[in-house]
Amino acid sequence: AQSVTQLDSQVPVFEEAPVELRCNYSSSVSVYLFWYVQYPNQGLQLLLKYLSGSTLVKGINGFEAEFNKSQTSFHLRKPSVHISDTAEYFCAVRRGFQKLVFGTGTRLLVSP
Amino acid sequence: EAGVTQFPSHSVIEKGQTVTLRCDPISGHDNLYWYRRVMGKEIKFLLHFVKESKQDESGMPNNRFLAERTGGTYSTLKVQPAELEDSGVYFCASSQESTSGGVTEQFFGPGTRLTVL
Repeated sequence: AQSVTQLDSQVPVFEEAPVELRCNYSSSVSVYLFWYVQYPNQGLQLLLKYLSGSTLVKGINGFEAEFNKSQTSFHLRKPSVHISDTAEYFCAVRRGFQKLVFGTGTRLLVSP
Repeated sequence: EAGVTQFPSHSVIEKGQTVTLRCDPISGHDNLYWYRRVMGKEIKFLLHFVKESKQDESGMPNNRFLAERTGGTYSTLKVQPAELEDSGVYFCASSQESTSGGVTEQFFGPGTRLTVL
């Protein structure tokens, strides 16, 4: 069975600072990896995904993530955050066409 | 193109009552998923429809939950009778069927926040 760990429930940062949201997964087979974002009162929106190929994946809104197979990690990064990046971020894994398995989410709080 | 829509956005009911949640997927999407997030915990899979058929219902908590997708369009999720632990946010997602074997994106609705008192 797959599982996803997001150790940080909340990450406060100042505007224009860099941020890294951590995600580790466990799976005995190859999986696809995703980051979703949920802005207040909205649904989940796909930020980026890793299916295969280059381990550095670029997504929307300036976010990127790096797949590290040896460390079973898929950390999300942004070099300079904006107030508008305040949201909850979810890491998820998926095997083939099966269900998404999510982590518990990380709230990113960006202050001026 | 309209996204995934869910109705109602909020529902407050008393323990023992019945509630029906509705999801309208993106037009043409054969795959429809239900997920649930209980307060402070992870988003958990409930079930997956391919058209009108249940492909995987391994995440359904118990027989108080009934999901349907008649005609392969919209889906309903009924909880009867509701219990306190059913409170949470219920998300619906849809995706196209992949004809090439690739992974297709799941598009999520805004969720229905269910509160059972």
